[in-house]
Amino acid sequence: TQLLEQSPQFLSIQEGENLTVYCNSSSVFSSLQWYRQEPGEGPVLLVTVVTGGEVKKLKRLTFQFGDARKDSSLHITAAQPGDTGLYLCAGHLASYNQGGKLIFGQGTELSVKP
Amino acid sequence: EAGVAQSPRYKIIEKRQSVAFWCNPISGHATLYWYQQILGQGPKLLIQFQNNGVVDDSQLPKDRFSAERLKGVDSTLKIQPAKLEDSAVYLCASSLMGQEQYFGPGTRLTVT
Repeated sequence: TQLLEQSPQFLSIQEGENLTVYCNSSSVFSSLQWYRQEPGEGPVLLVTVVTGGEVKKLKRLTFQFGDARKDSSLHITAAQPGDTGLYLCAGHLASYNQGGKLIFGQGTELSVKP
Repeated sequence: EAGVAQSPRYKIIEKRQSVAFWCNPISGHATLYWYQQILGQGPKLLIQFQNNGVVDDSQLPKDRFSAERLKGVDSTLKIQPAKLEDSAVYLCASSLMGQEQYFGPGTRLTVT
């Protein structure tokens, strides 16, 4: 049973297009993180959202945490080939209070073609 | 600041053989994690150490997997004997305060 569902799993778009990736769960998270992973590398943290309804922007990337802290979205404006990679959402369970256990979604493989 | 180091980067073994992976976390990071990432999936936590003590190993297949973190710094993860379904990338991560984890490049294991 997947605790965090990401959609879509695969996305292939042209440079300049916009896209949104969704991360959904029935569980409440104390915080949620988005990572980007390139082939042959480990995930790299992009952002952490903590408060329900929080919106954070990182250049052309906009991250939103749902009001109930059960879901999140990542929106990319005017995608570029350099955005290509695996995008992972990961949540810290609200009931887990030691050392920050992360539950990962299955990832969204994004390909941006020039 | 040096990142999380892992070795080897790639390993190919036959089923029923044993293999060991090594991780050197970021200096000063008390918490160390081992994840298994199967192709097409997100990382799954295998074991978490706080200094040299185990915090969570609930998803570690203890009949074949073992891990240790001697002196609370470096860590090794061992698989003995390996099965075909163990083919995956094994990621090590470390954190200072628990919220932000820094990942190493991973070891890609292929079991034939």
